[in-house]
Amino acid sequence: EDKVVQSPLSLVVHEGDTVTLNCSYEVTNFRSLLWYKQEKKAPTFLFMLTSSGIEKKSGRLSSILDKKELFSILNITATQTGDSAVYLCAVAVYSGAGSYQLTFGKGTKLSVIP
Amino acid sequence: EAGVAQSPRYKIIEKRQSVAFWCNPISGHATLYWYQQILGQGPKLLIQFQNNGVVDDSQLPKDRFSAERLKGVDSTLKIQPAKLEDSAVYLCASSAVAGGLGEQYFGPGTRLTVT
Repeated sequence: EDKVVQSPLSLVVHEGDTVTLNCSYEVTNFRSLLWYKQEKKAPTFLFMLTSSGIEKKSGRLSSILDKKELFSILNITATQTGDSAVYLCAVAVYSGAGSYQLTFGKGTKLSVIP
Repeated sequence: EAGVAQSPRYKIIEKRQSVAFWCNPISGHATLYWYQQILGQGPKLLIQFQNNGVVDDSQLPKDRFSAERLKGVDSTLKIQPAKLEDSAVYLCASSAVAGGLGEQYFGPGTRLTVT
């Protein structure tokens, strides 16, 4: 059974802190790893990673994938209260017949306090 | 571009009743997904459509859940009869990339409470 494990499950930091969120996976037919931010209901896309060691960056957020050790990290520097959300990690696996499906972790709930 | 639309946003029903959710994906997106997200969990894929054909429904409880995507655009997800454990947020997502390898765009979800 495909498994995606995120840690920590929750985290409370002060504004300005730097945080690292972890995602490890055990899946068959790995194709890519995606990070989403979920504030209210709809997850919004952050990054998609397919190659090891290549950092993806967007403003204060960055992410990297290690396909040998089967994990990814999401870094957020200089956190702001607007970063408070649940961060979801998902792995895309090939499910046959040209289709792919996402398996999600439980998420990390980040709370940034002023 | 307009996002993924879902309705209703909230629904409260009693167990054994039936309920239906509607989703309109982003225009031109061929792949459509329904997810179930129970409180404190990540979304779990229920069914994936490519145009109006089912690609994967291996995790759909077919004794009570059904879904269709007529004309390859809008989709409905139905639960009949509902159980207490069906209380969750039901998310619809769509993808421009055939097969679902690329980014998925999510709708706001429908929060279902079964009492």
